Amino acid sequence: DGGITQSPKYLFRKEGQNVTLSCEQNLNHDAMYWYRQDPGQGLRLIYYSQIVNDFQKGDIAEGYSVSREKKESFPLTVTSAQKNPTAFYLCASSYRENKAFFGQGTRLTVV
Amino acid sequence: DAKTTQPTSMDCAEGRAANLPCNHSTISGNEYVYWYRQIHSQGPQYIIHGLKNNETNEMASLIITEDRKSSTLILPHATLRDTAVYYCIVRVLQTGANNLFFGTGTRLTVIP
Repeated sequence: DGGITQSPKYLFRKEGQNVTLSCEQNLNHDAMYWYRQDPGQGLRLIYYSQIVNDFQKGDIAEGYSVSREKKESFPLTVTSAQKNPTAFYLCASSYRENKAFFGQGTRLTVV
Repeated sequence: DAKTTQPTSMDCAEGRAANLPCNHSTISGNEYVYWYRQIHSQGPQYIIHGLKNNETNEMASLIITEDRKSSTLILPHATLRDTAVYYCIVRVLQTGANNLFFGTGTRLTVIP
């Protein structure tokens, strides 16, 4: 089935550690996005990528890094510089018409 | 991008129509109106989009006012599974990455 897959679903991290969230899509979409969602809040854009080897900062990029070496993959690294990383992270992809498809999310908890 | 204003929450009786309003008074001529919804702890799901004309699909209807400054998403027969946060977004239709601004949306609760 075509779709967008995020892994893992739940992730625990110790303070001071970097952690990488996976996002893979087989929809042949050019654009991919990472959002963060805190309890009771809307989605805030972290990074987005228009094409391979290109990406742009969103509204809250500090403490995060991404790469786009392949069209299908857009991993997000939460670095130790992110002061409050506990959140629900959502990855999305889109082609035309801004009809974005979302993964099921990764819930990151810092312990 | 034009920003949107939605009520924070709404209730709807099961089986009745749910009408979710959205104001987008600064929308420009080439911006479309999109609706997504997010069921608790899942990724948002696309519902419908439109430019000027009213649109209908298997999930919902979208009514856009003639001046395009507001729109209403209609779920004709709400079920308990329609309980979710509904997001109204306005964006230019173009290929490539776009900053999809979701805001806080409307929390719809369908009551048995």
